[in-house]
Amino acid sequence: DAGVIQSPRHEVTEMGQEVTLRCKPISGHNSLFWYRQTMMRGLELLIYFNNNVPIDDSGMPEDRFSAKMPNASFSTLKIQPSEPRDSAVYFCASSSMSNQPQHFGDGTRLSIL
Amino acid sequence: AQSVTQLDSQVPVFEEAPVELRCNYSSSVSVYLFWYVQYPNQGLQLLLKYLSGSTLVKGINGFEAEFNKSQTSFHLRKPSVHISDTAEYFCAVTLTSGSRLTFGEGTQLTVNP
Repeated sequence: DAGVIQSPRHEVTEMGQEVTLRCKPISGHNSLFWYRQTMMRGLELLIYFNNNVPIDDSGMPEDRFSAKMPNASFSTLKIQPSEPRDSAVYFCASSSMSNQPQHFGDGTRLSIL
Repeated sequence: AQSVTQLDSQVPVFEEAPVELRCNYSSSVSVYLFWYVQYPNQGLQLLLKYLSGSTLVKGINGFEAEFNKSQTSFHLRKPSVHISDTAEYFCAVTLTSGSRLTFGEGTQLTVNP
């Protein structure tokens, strides 16, 4: 079984640019989560979806961040415009239901110069 | 709302020594509990889970955890650690009635030769 697939694995871009992170959850999983991990803040939940519907986006830092899940097999996290403080590792995870074990992707390491 | 506290941010031990990573949770209703491990430059992997049944749960890589409802704890143990166990370990809790996982701050386990 393929796990959660994230792309790109690494992204380096200049501040002000738009950044799009992509995630393909495990087939059949109904819940999808986006996390951000930094040394300073640890692991933070940004947003999660159940059945493609956003349930809780209270962790989204500000309006520069947006997430979509147009179908059950794809989600994006977009940052526009990007800032150096957005540099972090972004993880996507999925689970069969929101209270079941989550399966994590390998993450996208984002560096904003 | 549920919450989880990992009592130690860093745990250094020598190879072949036993280790216990402590986790306490707070919830007024029934919970599911999880331990995840994160190796450098990787996503989180499920180590073990408590959903119901026996309070002693065995996971991968020789780890086990015991659910103690009266003390609201779910400590992770291993009788003899290896260098390869060096990683960050996260405890997580969710409600059986359905909610997303809440992660602890993480415990960095460093196994020294």
